[in-house]
Amino acid sequence: DSGVTQTPKHLITATGQRVTLRCSPRSGDLSVYWYQQSLDQGLQFLIQYYNGEERAKGNILERFSAQQFPDLHSELNLSSLELGDSALYFCASSGRVQGNNEQFFGPGTRLTVL
Amino acid sequence: AQKITQTQPGMFVQEKEAVTLDCTYDTSDQSYGLFWYKQPSSGEMIFLIYQGSYDEQNATEGRYSLNFQKARKSANLVISASQLGDSAMYFCAMREGRSSNFNKFYFGSGTKLNVKP
Repeated sequence: DSGVTQTPKHLITATGQRVTLRCSPRSGDLSVYWYQQSLDQGLQFLIQYYNGEERAKGNILERFSAQQFPDLHSELNLSSLELGDSALYFCASSGRVQGNNEQFFGPGTRLTVL
Repeated sequence: AQKITQTQPGMFVQEKEAVTLDCTYDTSDQSYGLFWYKQPSSGEMIFLIYQGSYDEQNATEGRYSLNFQKARKSANLVISASQLGDSAMYFCAMREGRSSNFNKFYFGSGTKLNVKP
């Protein structure tokens, strides 16, 4: 158990809909990262937050947005969903200790868009 | 250009033998970090090993070692004495910059390792 929690574990929805994925980082971690992993592919970095502020942005679509709240949990909002958005969405956290700062991953949310 | 390249989509290794998974990276930063993660069929991402760009020694963690060749920009993962439980997808990743609190991570496309009994 990495200490990072993600809800829901599975999500099935229809095209055009909007969903919210939630992530709680490990206790004490200030950074949260969001990744998208499409079927049989690597991870695409979407966005990073550090202590409530956006720090880095990757290949995140304009239909997607995220935020990190004062209690450090984060939400990823996906809107106007398309079939191609079906993927495993990971949240990761880091930052408890300076140094190598490896990321600890949550179990992921599997999104299926029908 | 790809930041992280893993040229082996799939590999087989006999149980108890060693295997090397290749990873090359591309960055102009002087300070960066290299990581390997394991993703079993269950889907979770498991951190294996880390190498900092300024580290002079190759990183080792149990049966995992990272063969870091800075001039060649390669960071190959070596798994010694392979076990059936090592069968999984392996991802090489890079963090540009000194601290992961302020920089992006890049992941390779992965190598699927199958350990044969």
